Amino acid sequence: QVQLVQSGAEVKKPGASVKVSCKASGYTFTSNYIHWVRQAPGQGLEWMGIINPSGGSRSYAQRFQGRVTMTRDTSTSTVYLELSSLRSEDTAVYYCARGGARGGGDFDYWGQGTLVTVSS
Amino acid sequence: DIVMTQSPDSLAVSLGERATINCKSSQTVLYSSNNTNYLTWYQQKPGQPPKLLIYWASTRESGVPDRFSGSGSGTDFSLTISSLQAEDVAVYYCQQYYSTPTFGQGTKLEIK
Repeated sequence: QVQLVQSGAEVKKPGASVKVSCKASGYTFTSNYIHWVRQAPGQGLEWMGIINPSGGSRSYAQRFQGRVTMTRDTSTSTVYLELSSLRSEDTAVYYCARGGARGGGDFDYWGQGTLVTVSS
Repeated sequence: DIVMTQSPDSLAVSLGERATINCKSSQTVLYSSNNTNYLTWYQQKPGQPPKLLIYWASTRESGVPDRFSGSGSGTDFSLTISSLQAEDVAVYYCQQYYSTPTFGQGTKLEIK
């Protein structure tokens, strides 16, 4: 069965960076895009960007340009999200989600989420 | 970016009654070349990631109960639960992927 398993919770200080991993299993890793979506406490869903595990191409939401980097490791079927220059507003649950077969922007499987807390 | 606006923000419905959530996009999400609306609906329960319910505006994901249905085209969409069950209490989000993905603000569904 398809699974996306994310790394554990992180606590970071303002100005630091965080790197979250998302390990895929149960399907051919290079066949589907992976998206990152975040959710601040009590708030809605915000799309951050997309990576193509096949060739590594990526696209980021404009508001995160310059602070976000998405990478992948095909040998371990893992994608990574790195967010730098953290501020308190980046406190959120970060989800990876697989792009489905209906255009790639339908998120058919989700990771369990990784809570990132930014606090001094 | 396309702005997605849901209404209402919250909704209380009696068990067994119909619940309808609306979603409006600031521009069309209908791709004319294949007549497909790139619009999905998700259900999110507390402490869980969202779950895909509906894609292409009206197609149920595998395993989703048939009391859930989606309708609409272009810029106006609806999610209907025909007979509310206790397990349907959740926040519901619409999302478009005609362009850079964006979500509605969410609608909280409760039992009256």
